Amino acid sequence: DGGITQSPKYLFRKEGQNVTLSCEQNLNHDAMYWYRQDPGQGLRLIYYSQIVNDFQKGDIAEGYSVSREKKESFPLTVTSAQKNPTAFYLCASSRTSGGMNTGELFFGEGSRLTVL
Amino acid sequence: AQSVAQPEDQVNVAEGNPLTVKCTYSVSGNPYLFWYVQYPNRGLQFLLKYITGDNLVKGSYGFEAEFNKSQTSFHLKKPSALVSDSALYFCAVRDLGDDYKLSFGAGTTVTVRA
Repeated sequence: DGGITQSPKYLFRKEGQNVTLSCEQNLNHDAMYWYRQDPGQGLRLIYYSQIVNDFQKGDIAEGYSVSREKKESFPLTVTSAQKNPTAFYLCASSRTSGGMNTGELFFGEGSRLTVL
Repeated sequence: AQSVAQPEDQVNVAEGNPLTVKCTYSVSGNPYLFWYVQYPNRGLQFLLKYITGDNLVKGSYGFEAEFNKSQTSFHLKKPSALVSDSALYFCAVRDLGDDYKLSFGAGTTVTVRA
């Protein structure tokens, strides 16, 4: 079935360690996104990529990095510079229609990161 | 900047009763508005969107939303709620300057009791 696969589902990290969250999609979507979800705050955009080898910072990019070497993959690295990394991380993708982004996001199941 | 607000943290209804989840927006220009639903420990699912045209938009799972320009609202509705509708609901608005950016509300938790 087509969809977005995030791994791992749960991840524990010690302070000072970098971790990488995987996101793979087989929907043939050009655009991919990373959001962070904290209780009572909705979703906040970390990074997004409109096309392979291109990505833009979202609203809370500090302490995170991404790459987009393949259309299907958009991994997120949470670096030690991220001061409060414990959160639920959601990857999403969207398709374009007529050259415009539809805005309809397809989400993965999420990765829950806990810093010990 | 575009933004949405969901004034209610929680909504509780009995099964079979109408369900309304409120959303107001602040946008300079014509808004592109969305509703998403999230079940526990899952990703979000798209329900419906308003771009232009009819003010009443129909979406998935029997949900609909009414766009009201004078009240700057985009409330989500369902005529008869089910226990399985219990979830977290998010309203979102697309950024007018960058159609890849959505701003989400804080979410409303809906509980439907049997």
